[in-house]
Amino acid sequence: EIVLTQSPGTLSLSPGERVTLSCRASQSVNNNYLAWYQQKPGQAPRLLIHDAFSRATGIPDRFSGSGSGTDFSLTISRLEPGDFAVYYCQQYGSSVYTFGQGTKLEIK
Amino acid sequence: QVQLQESGPGLVKPSETLSLTCGVSGYSISSGYWWGWVRQPPGEGLEWIATIHHTGSTYYNPSLKSRVTISVDTSNNQFSLNLTSVTAADTAVFYCARHDGSGYYFDYWGQGTLVTVSS
Repeated sequence: EIVLTQSPGTLSLSPGERVTLSCRASQSVNNNYLAWYQQKPGQAPRLLIHDAFSRATGIPDRFSGSGSGTDFSLTISRLEPGDFAVYYCQQYGSSVYTFGQGTKLEIK
Repeated sequence: QVQLQESGPGLVKPSETLSLTCGVSGYSISSGYWWGWVRQPPGEGLEWIATIHHTGSTYYNPSLKSRVTISVDTSNNQFSLNLTSVTAADTAVFYCARHDGSGYYFDYWGQGTLVTVSS
């Protein structure tokens, strides 16, 4: 099973700032099959990025994904108030799908 | 627009079986795609449980496989989850979701339903 470790656990930032979240895999993710989700309190996760860097339908270009192998990142170029949430990465390169433990973005 | 809605008891007793159903609207399950279940204990992260294709092909998280059954009912456009011998550690919000066309990431999610295991 591939273990995904996200860092940092919590980030305190202000609207307008740029942020990069990290997701590191315990072994290489086949075909860079990695997705990012955003989850707000009381809501289901929302798909942001798939295949490491492809934005999902309707996701603004402020969100971008990068990385390959074992190291992946999600960058939000200019934080808006609605971006403060928990972000999860998920790998689907192996037959056992796993998620990271999440990074919480909070308003400073 | 694809919509998914979980339904089932919100309270299950320890050692009993947790049964949930996911009703799908806006898309016919028999037309394709893979469909899955994900759970999230209160205040914790996400855990994939199981996935099924409309043809009935399945795959499971090995950590839960001995207790989980996923099934599909194309006539009622829904799929279901059974989790046996539950304990308090199974208390979670359970989400049903649709995989993308290749059966990988999740592109549509239900709103989730909290299931508490307690006597």
